[in-house]
Amino acid sequence: EAQVTQNPRYLITVTGKKLTVTCSQNMNHEYMSWYRQDPGLGLRQIYYSMNVEVTDKGDVPEGYKVSRKEKRNFPLILESPSPNQTSLYFCASSFSGNSIGKLFFGSGTQLSVL
Amino acid sequence: DQQVKQNSPSLSVQEGRISILNCDYTNSMFDYFLWYKKYPAEGPTFLISISSIKDKNEDGRFTVFLNKSAKHLSLHIVPSQPGDSAVYFCAASQNRDDKIIFGKGTRLHILP
Repeated sequence: EAQVTQNPRYLITVTGKKLTVTCSQNMNHEYMSWYRQDPGLGLRQIYYSMNVEVTDKGDVPEGYKVSRKEKRNFPLILESPSPNQTSLYFCASSFSGNSIGKLFFGSGTQLSVL
Repeated sequence: DQQVKQNSPSLSVQEGRISILNCDYTNSMFDYFLWYKKYPAEGPTFLISISSIKDKNEDGRFTVFLNKSAKHLSLHIVPSQPGDSAVYFCAASQNRDDKIIFGKGTRLHILP
């Protein structure tokens, strides 16, 4: 089954404790992206990657890191999480080129930073 | 600076009637527009898209209309069904290869 898999689904952590949210897709998509969803703010892009070893900042990249060493994986790293990073996070992927807009999303990761 | 605006946070529509969700954008360089649907506890799913060379695209009960001069698009759902109750996100991009900008979403309630 074609899918984008995020883990974990729920995560509670404390300020400053490094964490990684994993994202994997099995559709051989070139494009991958991370979004956060906050009440009243919609979906905001954190980072995106057009292909392996190519990453770029989205609209709200501060406090986040990503890497794209393999085509299928695009982990989101919070080196020193803070309470304002409490949010619902979504990973998404797509083919590049003419259909980049048709994103496939994971089920989300609800992160709480205490 | 919000480039994609969905000014109605929520909308209630009677089952069987038409649902119209609106979206405005400010960047005249946007040339590809999409609608996504999101149920609670799930990720958004792609619903329908339209290129700026068209003014209408239809897929079953869903039709998207684009008015480039007004920088406005709308999603029509006819007839509305209970399963259409969800949050709908409007999104836009430039050249289809650039990042996608999402609106804040509109929560649609279909009333029995």
